[in-house]
Amino acid sequence: GENVEQHPSTLSVQEGDSAVIKCTYSDSASNYFPWYKQELGKRPQLIIDIRSNVGEKKDQRIAVTLNKTAKHFSLHITETQPEDSAVYFCAAQLTGTASKLTFGTGTRLQVTL
Amino acid sequence: NAGVTQTPKFQVLKTGQSMTLQCAQDMNHNSMYWYRQDPGMGLRLIYYSASEGTTDKGEVPNGYNVSRLNKREFSLRLESAAPSQTSVYFCASSELVSVGYGYTFGSGTRLTVV
Repeated sequence: GENVEQHPSTLSVQEGDSAVIKCTYSDSASNYFPWYKQELGKRPQLIIDIRSNVGEKKDQRIAVTLNKTAKHFSLHITETQPEDSAVYFCAAQLTGTASKLTFGTGTRLQVTL
Repeated sequence: NAGVTQTPKFQVLKTGQSMTLQCAQDMNHNSMYWYRQDPGMGLRLIYYSASEGTTDKGEVPNGYNVSRLNKREFSLRLESAAPSQTSVYFCASSELVSVGYGYTFGSGTRLTVV
């Protein structure tokens, strides 16, 4: 099955700096890669996703890049703000009938003032 | 719309007790999932249901059973709870398409087995 590795497990940045979280996946058949943000005590929520026919996608201060050859994808957050503090999960999807997502182990991002 | 509703939000069980976690979605999604979340281990798939009438094991199914009661509802049952099942449980749903839809998660159930 699919295996997703995520790094770093914790990340501390100063407000206004950029943050980058990286993930690798094992199955070259995977072709959908969403990112979720989970605030303390809350449910994970989808913040951005990318499909395998696209190399980069942006949405305001967040962007995701995908390198299919190397089987890795990254989340970039620019001009970080305290409300960006949360746990971020990457995921990869194998094509198939159930659209199962395999998640990374998460990155705890702390944005300090 | 409520989205995905899970009950209960919190539960404490004694070892050996049984319970059922309930999940319902009102988005007419075909696929539903149960994940558990443990510190440092991300979200791990317990069971899923690709469509009404079908269920399949995920990565960590031991000690659990599921029922897809209808298109809206997907329940998770612990027959004999163990301390190792202490976790936060999330139900999720998505459209059944060949690729490319994220999940909508419920608010989670925090389960403690003592």
